[in-house]
Amino acid sequence: QKEVEQDPGPLSVPEGAIVSLNCTYSNSAFQYFMWYRQYSRKGPELLMYTYSSGNKEDGRFTAQVDKSSKYISLFIRDSQPSDSATYLCAMSGMRETSGSRLTFGEGTQLTVNP
Amino acid sequence: DSGVTQTPKHLITATGQRVTLRCSPRSGDLSVYWYQQSLDQGLQFLIQYYNGEERAKGNILERFSAQQFPDLHSELNLSSLELGDSALYFCASSVTPGSNEQFFGPGTRLTVL
Repeated sequence: QKEVEQDPGPLSVPEGAIVSLNCTYSNSAFQYFMWYRQYSRKGPELLMYTYSSGNKEDGRFTAQVDKSSKYISLFIRDSQPSDSATYLCAMSGMRETSGSRLTFGEGTQLTVNP
Repeated sequence: DSGVTQTPKHLITATGQRVTLRCSPRSGDLSVYWYQQSLDQGLQFLIQYYNGEERAKGNILERFSAQQFPDLHSELNLSSLELGDSALYFCASSVTPGSNEQFFGPGTRLTVL
């Protein structure tokens, strides 16, 4: 079983819709949760960064973490065609001075139709 | 543009060959990470360097090695290449070695024929 599970989609929505993207995980040591956006043939771009449980909002994006359920979500409000991309969740354990590694979900491919 | 640069963008080579991928981190970042992205395995952590020293190691094959130079650029060396090594290879960088805020470069697409 993978440490991080993410529905690969594809997910297709009309412009203006609210998009919900989710990941589940099995490793209780994960404390830091990230969402990356990856356009086709480009490098992942850091969208949201959260620590432990709770919500974080940044413009049209809201990240939620529920550690008790081992479940994280990314919501995109008023979705735009420019949001069409693959969204990857990423996680990491306790912050260490020695080193860091991110564990990624496989990504959800999102298309927002005009 | 994240500020992380990678060369070359594309690389086509044959099985059994050796290649070197290069990465320059963002200005001010001391830590460099290498990731491999393939269709069947997704994005996987390979190795991390901080200020020239190896700090963390993931599922990196023995045929692969990396180093970080005094000017902080890093190179990933892949040898005895196999068809299954075909993938996108990303470099990321961060300010500190324990940072989870990692900024990715555009990647090198490796095709092994």
